[in-house]
Formats: sequence, structure tokens, C-alpha cells
Amino acid sequence: DSGVTQTPKHLITATGQRVTLRCSPRSGDLSVYWYQQSLDQGLQFLIQYYNGEERAKGNILERFSAQQFPDLHSELNLSSLELGDSALYFCASSVGLAENIQYFGAGTRLSVL
Amino acid sequence: GESVGLHLPTLSVQEGDNSIINCAYSNSASDYFIWYKQESGKGPQFIIDIRSNMDKRQGQRVTVLLNKTVKHLSLQIAATQPGDSAVYFCAEINDYKLSFGAGTTVTVRA
Repeated sequence: DSGVTQTPKHLITATGQRVTLRCSPRSGDLSVYWYQQSLDQGLQFLIQYYNGEERAKGNILERFSAQQFPDLHSELNLSSLELGDSALYFCASSVGLAENIQYFGAGTRLSVL
Repeated sequence: GESVGLHLPTLSVQEGDNSIINCAYSNSASDYFIWYKQESGKGPQFIIDIRSNMDKRQGQRVTVLLNKTVKHLSLQIAATQPGDSAVYFCAEINDYKLSFGAGTTVTVRA
């Protein structure tokens, strides 16, 4: 168990809908990262938050947004969902900003039908 | 047996043999590298890391080698066990971002 908790484990929804994925980092970790894993794209970095502030952005679509709350948990919001958004979404956390080991949660499997 | 050389997407290993998983990274400015293991249905799990000022680091049954000249990483697993069956990813950190390689699926034969 990495100590990173993600909910829900599975999510099935329809095209055009909006969903929210939730992540609780390991105790003491200030950084939260979101990744998307699909069969054809591998693990892709989406976005990083550190102590409530956005610190780095990767290949995140404009339809997607995230935030980190004062208690350090994070949410990833996916809107206007398309079939191609079906993937595993992972959250990871680390102690600091960079060059730190990132610990991953078990992921949320999103299926857009 | 062992497999060296170019990156292979799959590797089949006899239980008890040593495994070598190769990875080429892209950014010569990257100075921190991590190997992750991902079992089916789980998130990536940290195995071992190495900084660019080192060329070798050893853990429990695992060794990571770094060749900065050719931008190449390898992960060696000694005495491979059935529980080592998984997808292995190398990752480089540059500008706060962790970039993952394509992954190698390791299958351990009994």
C-alpha cells in the first residue's frame, strides 16, 4: 500500500458528461501529480500541484482541470467527456517539488460509453 | 537468461535467472531517474532511483546502471521470481515532470 488513496476505483459514464476523481496524498506529502494511462499513449503526466498551487503542466486538455485543497487532497475534473478519455487515471504524491520519489495510488478506471 | 542491448517491449525469463531491462531516455539534461514496477490492476510502484552523478546503484536483488554518454538506463533483477512478473518503466525527471518510457513487460516462466 503506497499510502495514496484514489476514489472511485471505477467510473462508467457517457460522452458529454463530467466527472470528478479524488486523491488523498500520503501523510506529509505536499505535491500531488495526476497521470493518464491509456493503451496507446502509455503513462502521460497531466499536472502537478504543490501545497495548493499549480506547479507544472503536462499534456492536459483544456476540458480537464484540477485543484489541490487546503487539506492537500486533490481533485481532477474531466468535462465534455469523449470516448478517447477512457483510461486509467493515477494520482501520485511526493514530499517536495522535484527530484523526489513519487508514490502512486491504485488509480481510477474511467470508461466513457 | 539475460537480455541486453536494445529496448524490448517484452521479456520472458526463467525463474531463478537474472533479468536485464533496458531503457533509453531522451533528455540529456535529466539528472534523476527512477524505475517503477506496475503489476496488473495496480499503480506504478517505486523500485530504485539513481542520480546522474552516479553510474550504478544497488538495492535488494536489483541494480540500476546509468550510462549518460549514450543516455541509457538498465535495471538488473537477480534470481527472478514469479512475483517479478510485471511491466517495468524507467522514468526521468526534468523540470519537475516525470516522463515515463514505454515499459517492458516481464513474464517469469516457472
